[in-house]
Amino acid sequence: SYVLTQPPSVSVSPGKTASITCEGINIGTKSVHWYQQRSGQAPVVVIFYDRDRPSGIPERFSGSNSGNTATLTISGVEAGDGADYFCQVWDSGSDHWVFGGGTKLTVL
Amino acid sequence: QVLLVESRGGLVKPGGSLRLSCAASGFTFSDYYMSWIRQAPGKGLEWVSYISHTGGAVYYADSVKGRFTISRDNAKNSLYLQMNSLRAEDTAVYYCATHSSGWPTPIDYWDQGTLVTVSS
Repeated sequence: SYVLTQPPSVSVSPGKTASITCEGINIGTKSVHWYQQRSGQAPVVVIFYDRDRPSGIPERFSGSNSGNTATLTISGVEAGDGADYFCQVWDSGSDHWVFGGGTKLTVL
Repeated sequence: QVLLVESRGGLVKPGGSLRLSCAASGFTFSDYYMSWIRQAPGKGLEWVSYISHTGGAVYYADSVKGRFTISRDNAKNSLYLQMNSLRAEDTAVYYCATHSSGWPTPIDYWDQGTLVTVSS
């Protein structure tokens, strides 16, 4: 089955840029969606179809996807961005949704 | 606005059964694919099952296939997950979620989740 690999944790200082990667074989051929989950809350989509932002999501959030790596980038990180982030794709080979293991973003 | 209200989970013995339901409102339920997703305590998200807008197509994670059944009643705007032969590793918060229009599309809305604990 298709596997998505994320770093368990990323730390960043306020105002800096955080990059969270999601690795999968030929992930660049799939559409990647990113979810933010704050502690004790349900997830919220922050990027869909690799790079699109839902209404209400700050422009500081951006995404890219190429080759074997998709990346969620958060520029000008704020304390409120501290959360778990999960990538997701549809694997048409198995007809399964697949989530990455998640990355805990810590704002120092 | 979109509202997803899930039935209460609870404590179930290994080998037991439980049915979760999710009542939807604020959108045309019959137009959208729905999913169940779970999250074991302190762990990541795990997709469980996915159902087409008509209920004619269903998909399951390998970990639950043959034990769980997803269904929907569009007349009642409700989604269901029948869970049989429950195991300790099924212990998790279960989320009901609605996808964007089309297939396969990202998740637009999640409910607040309900905890299912499988333990003797």
